[in-house]
Amino acid sequence: DGGITQSPKYLFRKEGQNVTLSCEQNLNHDAMYWYRQDPGQGLRLIYYSQIVNDFQKGDIAEGYSVSREKKESFPLTVTSAQKNPTAFYLCASSTRLAPTGELFFGEGSRLTVL
Amino acid sequence: KQEVTQIPAALSVPEGENLVLNCSFTDSAIYNLQWFRQDPGKGLTSLLLIQSSQREQTSGRLNASLDKSSGRSTLYIAASQPGDSATYLCAVENNNDMRFGAGTRLTVKP
Repeated sequence: DGGITQSPKYLFRKEGQNVTLSCEQNLNHDAMYWYRQDPGQGLRLIYYSQIVNDFQKGDIAEGYSVSREKKESFPLTVTSAQKNPTAFYLCASSTRLAPTGELFFGEGSRLTVL
Repeated sequence: KQEVTQIPAALSVPEGENLVLNCSFTDSAIYNLQWFRQDPGKGLTSLLLIQSSQREQTSGRLNASLDKSSGRSTLYIAASQPGDSATYLCAVENNNDMRFGAGTRLTVKP
């Protein structure tokens, strides 16, 4: 089945540690995105990528980093510089960047900082 | 900068009732508007996508309408069922920028 796979589903981190969230898609989509979701707020864009080896900052990129070495993969690293990393992280993809059209989401990864 | 608002934040209805969820946006120069469903602890599932040139889209018991001039969209759910309980989010795209509302949490009671 085509879709987006995020792992791990739950992740616990001690303060000062970097963690990497995985996102893999087999939809052959060019564009991929990382969003952060906090209770009572809409999704906020962290990073997006239109093509391999290219990515752009979203609204809240500080403390995060990404890579796009393969079309299928768009991992997100939450660094120790991110002051409030506890959140639900969602990866998404679409056939193109602009206009985006229909967005497909993974099941999410919940990060908790201890 | 586009702002997207969904009111109410939560809604509880008895099974079988027809209901309307609201989404409003501040910039009417949009490419499209999308409605999503999110179950607790899960990702978002796209329900309906309305292009800027369209007035409405239908899928089964769901009907979404779009009024760009007034900056509003509604999601109509007919004959609600307990399985419809979820959070419903709208997202508006314009100028290579997609903005999400905070969602309406719907509970349908048996």
